[in-house]
Amino acid sequence: AQKVTQAQTEISVVEKEDVTLDCVYETRDTTYYLFWYKQPPSGELVFLIRRNSFDEQNEISGRYSWNFQKSTSSFNFTITASQVVDSAVYFCALSAEDGNYGQNFVFGPGTRLSVLP
Amino acid sequence: DGGITQSPKYLFRKEGQNVTLSCEQNLNHDAMYWYRQDPGQGLRLIYYSQIVNDFQKGDIAEGYSVSREKKESFPLTVTSAQKNPTAFYLCASSIDPPGLVSEAFFGQGTRLTVV
Repeated sequence: AQKVTQAQTEISVVEKEDVTLDCVYETRDTTYYLFWYKQPPSGELVFLIRRNSFDEQNEISGRYSWNFQKSTSSFNFTITASQVVDSAVYFCALSAEDGNYGQNFVFGPGTRLSVLP
Repeated sequence: DGGITQSPKYLFRKEGQNVTLSCEQNLNHDAMYWYRQDPGQGLRLIYYSQIVNDFQKGDIAEGYSVSREKKESFPLTVTSAQKNPTAFYLCASSIDPPGLVSEAFFGQGTRLTVV
């Protein structure tokens, strides 16, 4: 069975602080994909990043960076110099082949980030 | 513009009624999904479909039904058998050809309230 854990339910930071959102996953598959999504107050989930299980390189995109460590089954997300517009719920997700049924996404419970001015 | 459209945005249902949530995509995606979101529980999979005329139950399919008669459309019916239907419902789609796992694209959601 696949599972994603996001231990931080809510985080509050002051603008310009750095913040790291934790994600720990469980899967028996050797080939899998990890994702991060942002859900602003409007409700729609916005795709941020996809990483496959064979690529452990860290990635940086502007103020966002991701640290993928297979040894600890973690895929953490860091926002540098946070801004008020970063306030949202962030979801980590795992996808792997689901038997004969193809791709299936499993989401973590989400972390609500509040960036205060 | 390409995307996923869910309607309506807000829906009120009386107890004992069936209601249908619409989901349409023009991304030419094969795979489509329905998720339910409750506070503090993240997204839970209700149903998913990899191709037309085929769909599979997710983790919480009881009280829900779907159809996939067209590639573009994946409507979800919340039946009277669903005892606690008040939630935020999200539809998603992905390319998902064999051997390639793509990200899922989401609609803006439908908030269903039982009155």
